[in-house]
Amino acid sequence: DIVLTQSPDTVSLSPGERVTLSCRASQSVSGNNLAWYQQRPGQAPRLLIYAASNRASGIPDRFSGSGSGTDFTLTIRSLEAADFAVYYCQLYGPSPYIFGQGTRLEIK
Amino acid sequence: QLQESGPGLVRTSDTLSLTCSVFGGSISSRGFYWGWIRQSPGKGLEWIGSLYYSGRTYYNPSLKSRVTMSVDTSKNQFSLNLTSVNAADTAMYFCARVSRFVYGPLDSWGQGILVPVSS
Repeated sequence: DIVLTQSPDTVSLSPGERVTLSCRASQSVSGNNLAWYQQRPGQAPRLLIYAASNRASGIPDRFSGSGSGTDFTLTIRSLEAADFAVYYCQLYGPSPYIFGQGTRLEIK
Repeated sequence: QLQESGPGLVRTSDTLSLTCSVFGGSISSRGFYWGWIRQSPGKGLEWIGSLYYSGRTYYNPSLKSRVTMSVDTSKNQFSLNLTSVNAADTAMYFCARVSRFVYGPLDSWGQGILVPVSS
């Protein structure tokens, strides 16, 4: 089975800074079926990015996704207070979902 | 918009039953599936299963022997039954809309319902 490993586990930054989060698959991902979710404390996950680089509806362009094969990244430029949360990558279709363990983005 | 409902506590070895109500759209909309995901501190996010409005179901192999999902299009709801629960089934349970295909991105989520399992 494919395993998704996110790094770092935790990152501490200040508002206004830029961050790049990594998601690495143990095998090549077909069709770039890779999504990113944001989960704020006490809330459900929210879809940010699908197909590795497509922003979901209503997601600001400060969020961008890239990558292919085994290495994927989520970049957030000019961090805002609401961005400090946990981020998950997810492999989807044609097989059942696989989630990464998450990266916690915390305020420095 | 999705909203989970169900009991606040389930006893060990009993059946966990949850319902997800869909608002602002039809559960029979073509191109969308509907799923259940749970989140516990020990195991992170775990997909439980998904279904289509026709009743076709897809289950996580690791839970398949204990899971049943069903849909009620007249009420715009779908449901989850998880049998023989134990402490490891204690989690926040989310329902979600699945876009594009059966294992597509989860583009809308309910707020979640915490279900403790206790003897």
